[in-house]
Amino acid sequence: NAGVTQTPKFRVLKTGQSMTLLCAQDMNHEYMYWYRQDPGMGLRLIHYSVGEGTTAKGEVPDGYNVSRLKKQNFLLGLESAAPSQTSVYFCASSRAAFYEQYFGPGTRLTVT
Amino acid sequence: AQKVTQAQTEISVVEKEDVTLDCVYETRDTTYYLFWYKQPPSGELVFLIRRNSFDEQNEISGRYSWNFQKSTSSFNFTITASQVVDSAVYFCARPYYGGSQGNLIFGKGTKLSVKP
Repeated sequence: NAGVTQTPKFRVLKTGQSMTLLCAQDMNHEYMYWYRQDPGMGLRLIHYSVGEGTTAKGEVPDGYNVSRLKKQNFLLGLESAAPSQTSVYFCASSRAAFYEQYFGPGTRLTVT
Repeated sequence: AQKVTQAQTEISVVEKEDVTLDCVYETRDTTYYLFWYKQPPSGELVFLIRRNSFDEQNEISGRYSWNFQKSTSSFNFTITASQVVDSAVYFCARPYYGGSQGNLIFGKGTKLSVKP
């Protein structure tokens, strides 16, 4: 039982490049979330999903896209990376809204 | 407003001391959950506890205890006989009840350093 896993753990991109972060959970959770964590800003919600095939915007969605084609996977895409997207990205899952969320180990992304 | 405030930015203690981390939350809801998370230096976020607003009994788990007081909107976390492994950033959190997504609103965190 791995819980929530994230791939990759580290990545360096040049401005304008694209990439996809993969999140997988094996707890059969319906809800999945992508957050970013920045110094002094805490954790902020980028996008979320309330079930397979659904996605919705969170607090800071600009510059990101997501997909949830399978219940266990939640992908976060950056189409054209910008230095402002340098951050640590966390994926989380929850069995239902308003319950505790279980987090992946995070992806540290640097955009130069 | 649904803010979570952790007024203590950093706390430093010596091993075996007791330490309390404060959390004050805002809510207009009659029922709600509250959470504590731990983020050790390795970076992952570890879920510690969920508290239901119905239940104001204190919770104890080993050296950890939580004091929930609805009257003061506080949900404080105490570590008894602290250890070096307790060094981490601790976050208090609550769900956002303004929509259906249930994402968490985190406090800014309290960095705890336990020195040997």
